[in-house]
Amino acid sequence: SQTIHQWPATLVQPVGSPLSLECTVEGTSNPNLYWYRQAAGRGLQLLFYSVGIGQISSEVPQNLSASRPQDRQFILSSKKLLLSDSGFYLCAWSPAVAAYNEQFFGPGTRLTVL
Amino acid sequence: AQSVSQHNHHVILSEAASLELGCNYSYGGTVNLFWYVQYPGQHLQLLLKYFSGDPLVKGIKGFEAEFIKSKFSFNLRKPSVQWSDTAEYFCAVKMGARNNNDMRFGAGTRLTVKP
Repeated sequence: SQTIHQWPATLVQPVGSPLSLECTVEGTSNPNLYWYRQAAGRGLQLLFYSVGIGQISSEVPQNLSASRPQDRQFILSSKKLLLSDSGFYLCAWSPAVAAYNEQFFGPGTRLTVL
Repeated sequence: AQSVSQHNHHVILSEAASLELGCNYSYGGTVNLFWYVQYPGQHLQLLLKYFSGDPLVKGIKGFEAEFIKSKFSFNLRKPSVQWSDTAEYFCAVKMGARNNNDMRFGAGTRLTVKP
């Protein structure tokens, strides 16, 4: 069966420091991968998605970037964190086959920028 | 703009009460519809989904949802809630048949069930 991992689970970083959050998926090949930010009372906001290695689409211009160095690895980064980057970050995957449209979510990373 | 609205931010019910959580979307084309649930301290997980066919969809744990195309709605229901249903519920809509990435989420509804 497929599983999705995210780490770290929680992170506290100072303003201006770099960020790297990692997401990996097991048990599937060529998944679509997604990064979301979940804000209280505002649902999930799609940040980035990827349909393949090295292919990244950005939904919202911001202080973050994403990379997909391997088929089942998705990384969310920042060179200099802002206070507004604090939040709960979720990684998700979906099968590449169009008929299966649901997304499967990881446990999330709680980021606090001080 | 395409959007998903969940009208209730926080719902408080007693055990055995009936539940209905509203979800409306603004998109005139083909949609796939989902309800996700996030129990305290756990991953978001799928409750149920609608792609086509019977507009009344049954999911896990006794939940069901009805797609009413004319009302652009996909309300979630459960006839008798339990304390273990305490969680946050998210409606999600995939807008458009081909683009798997265009999934919009509502703001969520927090359900508290009192024992």
